[in-house]
Amino acid sequence: ETGVTQTPRHLVMGMTNKKSLKCEQHLGHNAMYWYKQSAKKPLELMFVYNFKEQTENNSVPSRFSPECPNSSHLFLHLHTLQPEDSALYLCASSPEGGNTEAFFGQGTRLTVV
Amino acid sequence: GQQVMQIPQYQHVQEGEDFTTYCNSSTTLSNIQWYKQRPGGHPVFLIQLVKSGEVKKQKRLTFQFGEAKKNSSLHITATQTTDVGTYFCAGLMDSNYQLIWGAGTKLIIKP
Repeated sequence: ETGVTQTPRHLVMGMTNKKSLKCEQHLGHNAMYWYKQSAKKPLELMFVYNFKEQTENNSVPSRFSPECPNSSHLFLHLHTLQPEDSALYLCASSPEGGNTEAFFGQGTRLTVV
Repeated sequence: GQQVMQIPQYQHVQEGEDFTTYCNSSTTLSNIQWYKQRPGGHPVFLIQLVKSGEVKKQKRLTFQFGEAKKNSSLHITATQTTDVGTYFCAGLMDSNYQLIWGAGTKLIIKP
């Protein structure tokens, strides 16, 4: 248990569906991150929130939409995804921004059909 | 774009043999972090190196940060089955404070 909880753990969705991934951290951290992990590729940083403000958006397609209502919760809203978006989506938090030591959740395994 | 190259992609070892993975950056790093991801699991932070030439040890694991702060290595002595997993480095770029991840090295213990 890392103190970072992601739900759901697995998700299968059609290309026309809308779904959301949820992340919650119980560590009192101020920064939260979304990462995408595909097979045989480096971890891709998608979004960074620092004190609830989005500080990084690494050219992520608009079909991925993050939301950070408070420093403990982070969502990733998904709509009209493509099969190549199938991957493990990892949430992480760190005490502060600046990419310090990150604590990862267990991830959501997403399959787009 | 900025990259952190990590090699090898895979390393097969007999239990008891040593293992090493290397990371190289094209630009100077502020720091480098190392993570381990067990099969089916998530990355877990191992260590962060900040100083030029820094060497840190955790039991059988030795981490090094190069003098120029552009490369790093992780060496495991006498591997055990519990060491199985993928080891990632992540470098914080000096220029823009972006964290760039290596592709990982998968440690496989031969049966």
